[in-house]
Formats: sequence, C-alpha cells, structure tokens
Amino acid sequence: DTGVSQDPRHKITKRGQNVTFRCDPISEHNRLYWYRQTLGQGPEFLTYFQNEAQLEKSRLLSDRFSAERPKGSFSTLEIQRTEQGDSAMYLCASSAELLAGGRMNTGELFFGEGSRLTVL
Amino acid sequence: RKEVEQDPGPFNVPEGATVAFNCTYSNSASQSFFWYRQDCRKEPKLLMSVYSSGNEDGRFTAQLNRASQYISLLIRDSKLSDSATYLCASPSGGYNKLIFGAGTRLAVHP
Repeated sequence: DTGVSQDPRHKITKRGQNVTFRCDPISEHNRLYWYRQTLGQGPEFLTYFQNEAQLEKSRLLSDRFSAERPKGSFSTLEIQRTEQGDSAMYLCASSAELLAGGRMNTGELFFGEGSRLTVL
Repeated sequence: RKEVEQDPGPFNVPEGATVAFNCTYSNSASQSFFWYRQDCRKEPKLLMSVYSSGNEDGRFTAQLNRASQYISLLIRDSKLSDSATYLCASPSGGYNKLIFGAGTRLAVHP
C-alpha cells in the first residue's frame, strides 16, 4: 500500500505522559500536514511542512506540541505532558505540489487513517 | 464567523431520494472548494473538487455560488452506502492548507 500511513493507530495514555505519533506520507509528496479532529467536528489544521521546513503552525498548537520532519520524508508529532483535552484523532495528510497534467494542486489532500489518542 | 460552515444534520433520507447540502464560506477570495467524504472512525477522502461554477460525477453534483458564497453538494438516487459525513473544505492563507467545516451527516435508510 503506497498511501499515507500513521503509527500507532490507537494510543491510550495517562495525563501527564508524553506521546509521539509518526506519519509516513506518500513517497513523492513534498507537502505534509497534521490535523486534529474531535467528535462531531471537522479536521482542524495544526501544522504544515514543505519538504523538511515547517512553514506554518496553528495557534491551536500549544508549546506542548512539537512536530518535525527531519529529512523531508516521515514526520513526527509529539505531545508533552498530555491533558485530557488532547484526546482526539490526529490525522496526517500529504499532497503533491502539482497534479497529473501539471495542474497546480490547490487542495487535494490524501489522509492517513489517523492516530486516535485517549488521555485518561 | 467561521471560515467554512455547514449544517451538521443529520439528514435522514430513504434510498432513492435526492438530497442536497450547503456549505457557506467567508473568504471571498477562495478559488477552489472541496467535498470530502468521511465514514465513521475513518479518514476523510476526497469526493469532488469545485474550481469554477460546478462539477458533476455520476450521481454527485457540486455547485458554486460566488455571489452568495456557498457551495452545494447534490446526491441523486441515494444509496445505503452514501451514509457518511460530508465535509466541505476550502484553502486558506498560504501553502494550501484546507479549512474544513464541521461536516454534514447523511443517513440513508431502506
């Protein structure tokens, strides 16, 4: 399967613990996004990478959250000192700058299956 | 006002019905819009893109009304398998990040 993969798929942790999620994007995609989704809501943008550069971070991303994409391939999202309010689905998405035929991609994202976090 | 707003539903319709959802957006400069489908506890998947006036793909038609700043998704001849949440999205700011609405739930019953 050459889609976006995320690991782990499920994580249950106690409040105060650190957790790390990994995302492997589609190999030819240079753009990588992290979103968070809670029940009954749409995905909320957290951060964006183009290659290895983190170009944008949402105000939703507190100091306890850090994301990296060290070699421009896979990415990690770490949450330190987790709180119950961090419980959510963390979705990774990737995209290519250009679509088939050379058309500029303006929003076609490919999502992974997500990492569901439960903080007790 | 949220950048992208949707009626959360649920829309409960019988098989074979035609159903339409609307999505309003606040950024008048937006040039493209997207409908994603999300099944329960699954990831969103792109259903349709809308770049100008509209787009049609089989039973699905998406239309854009720039004057009133909304897009719509029309599903004809609903199938049980159409039951899902439909997310509306639009790029915002730079780098093509998508801003999503909260989604509209559709339940198609026999």
